[in-house]
Amino acid sequence: EPEVTQTPSHQVTQMGQEVILRCVPISNHLYFYWYRQILGQKVEFLVSFYNNEISEKSEIFDDQFSVERPDGSNFTLKIRSTKLEDSAMYFCASSYRGSGELFFGEGSRLTVL
Amino acid sequence: AQTVTQSQPEMSVQEAETVTLSCTYDTSESDYYLFWYKQPPSRQMILVIRQEAYKQQNATENRFSVNFQKAAKSFSLKISDSQLGDAAMYFCAYRSAGSNYQLIWGAGTKLIIKP
Repeated sequence: EPEVTQTPSHQVTQMGQEVILRCVPISNHLYFYWYRQILGQKVEFLVSFYNNEISEKSEIFDDQFSVERPDGSNFTLKIRSTKLEDSAMYFCASSYRGSGELFFGEGSRLTVL
Repeated sequence: AQTVTQSQPEMSVQEAETVTLSCTYDTSESDYYLFWYKQPPSRQMILVIRQEAYKQQNATENRFSVNFQKAAKSFSLKISDSQLGDAAMYFCAYRSAGSNYQLIWGAGTKLIIKP
């Protein structure tokens, strides 16, 4: 059964460093998303991406964040200069239609020291 | 702004029994979607059931059903004949019909199944 895969499963980084989280969505899906969950808090929407551009983004998704679909299969989230408060589980998701079911990856845990 | 509240951080149920997980939400919109997602330990979130607000009939998927009370803004999940594999975090989520993308989440309920 096709699934969304995310790498790395866990990354530890120093504050101020750049981090790239990678996702491989389901191959025929057209819509891509990033969500995050800070430990003990609710899951929060970051950004959605369709047709090679951002469709919607939340207030969290500031200039420190960017997304890219560099090669037609990967979907990446880059954090330019990580802060302590960026420590969270980051979930990638994809869907075939904008209103369709979201399929999630297992998440990438980011720890910023 | 819309909010989703799950007031039960943890619930436990005996195997084969029925359990109901609560979810309330706040919105001024009339058209929206509600979801229950399941997240087993160290696994990805999986859609359990979905409800369109314009539908009066409660959604059902095998052993999973919802009690959707639009006026009360309540959306509870009932799991019948609980199985060990049902043990997971369960998240309630809301999406505006005007937004295709952004899900608003509850805090989750951890469901424990006692054998």
